[in-house]
Amino acid sequence: EVVLTQSPGTLSLSPGERATLSCRASQSVNSIYFGWYQQKPGQAPRLLVYGASHRATGIPARFSCSGSGTDFTLTISRLEPEDFAVYYCQQYDSSPYTFGQGTKLEIK
Amino acid sequence: QVQLQESGPGLVKPSETLSLTCSVSGGSISDYYWGWIRQPPGKGLEWLAYIYNTGSINYNPSLKSRVTISVDTSKNQVSLKLTSVTAADTAVYYCARGGGWFNPWGQGSLVTVSS
Repeated sequence: EVVLTQSPGTLSLSPGERATLSCRASQSVNSIYFGWYQQKPGQAPRLLVYGASHRATGIPARFSCSGSGTDFTLTISRLEPEDFAVYYCQQYDSSPYTFGQGTKLEIK
Repeated sequence: QVQLQESGPGLVKPSETLSLTCSVSGGSISDYYWGWIRQPPGKGLEWLAYIYNTGSINYNPSLKSRVTISVDTSKNQVSLKLTSVTAADTAVYYCARGGGWFNPWGQGSLVTVSS
């Protein structure tokens, strides 16, 4: 099973700042089988990015993803108030599909 | 636009079977993969299973002996059954479209296992 470890656990930033969220895999993952989700309190997760670099429909261009092998990054170029949420990475390269434990992005 | 709505009992007794249904509107269930993911209160996400039109099914090995996923194309529904539940199965259960990445998701159904 591929274990995904996200860091930091909590990230405190202000609107307008740049956010960098990391996800490290316990073994190499094909980047085309990697994605990121956003979850707000009381809501279901929402797909942000899939296939390493493809933004889901309606996702703003300020969200971008990079990485390969065991290290992946989600970058939010300029934080908007609605971006403060929990973010999860996911790999679907090998079964069982797994998610990271989440990074909470909070307002500083 | 595809919409998903989970429905289930809310409360299940230990050792019993949890049954959930996901009703899909705005698209044919036959055209896509469908999955179930759960989230214990205050915790992260765990993928449970996916299915494509009964022809392709994959389960999380951690639950493989207890979980069954199925589709009813006549009703445009996806179902999940989990047997021999314990308190550790208490979670919000989500259905979602996909067999890799998942999009969109239903709003989720909270299932509590308690006597």
